[in-house]
Amino acid sequence: SSELTQDPAVSVALGQTVRITCQGDSLRNYYSNWFQQKPGQAPVLVIYARHNRPSGIPDRFSGSSSGNTASLTITGARAEDEADYYCNSRDSSGYVVLFGGGTKLTVL
Amino acid sequence: QVQVQQWGAGLLKPSETLSLTCAVSGASSSGNYWSWIRQPPGKGLEWIGEFTQSGKTIYSPSLKSRASISVDTSRNEISLTLKSVTAADTAVYYCAIEANSGTYDFWGQGTLVTVSS
Repeated sequence: SSELTQDPAVSVALGQTVRITCQGDSLRNYYSNWFQQKPGQAPVLVIYARHNRPSGIPDRFSGSSSGNTASLTITGARAEDEADYYCNSRDSSGYVVLFGGGTKLTVL
Repeated sequence: QVQVQQWGAGLLKPSETLSLTCAVSGASSSGNYWSWIRQPPGKGLEWIGEFTQSGKTIYSPSLKSRASISVDTSRNEISLTLKSVTAADTAVYYCAIEANSGTYDFWGQGTLVTVSS
């Protein structure tokens, strides 16, 4: 498969937990990564290789993957987490890079 | 710390060639992925292609016929050319660098390229 599918929009109450998902057949064989993008800014890597956090990313961000679905969980959402989130992986060839369509997270 | 600085023409006419360059400090092109990614206004991220760890260049199937990525290892720069642009190529173009995560750890500031007659 050559697609990664995300819900277009998700909302969460301040301080609550939210899960953003990404589906695609290639996720069974290749690592998932997650990027956060705020308006007017370049994307920022928040999770790589399914569940690893880069230096400087708060531990309220966590990642997991099972079968054809990858998930980004934000535990205790804060106002500054309001952003677009993109999943990323590779297609079945392992060469072509895929991005999901993005999920707009609103913190209420 | 890795720093990524990009530049290039921001306004093109249809059929012209887009040309962007990105300078990287703090990371080497050997052993890492260097890539170009674009984002049309109000839309999601679209991968254009990358210079791989093995020295090959891989392109998105949808842009392969028009895109060319080259790396100058002596200058630590990566460049993108995109031929025969149309309004559909209007986007913010980013270079993105893999340092140690297997994906894009560091991104340039983005360059808005507008194609308009």
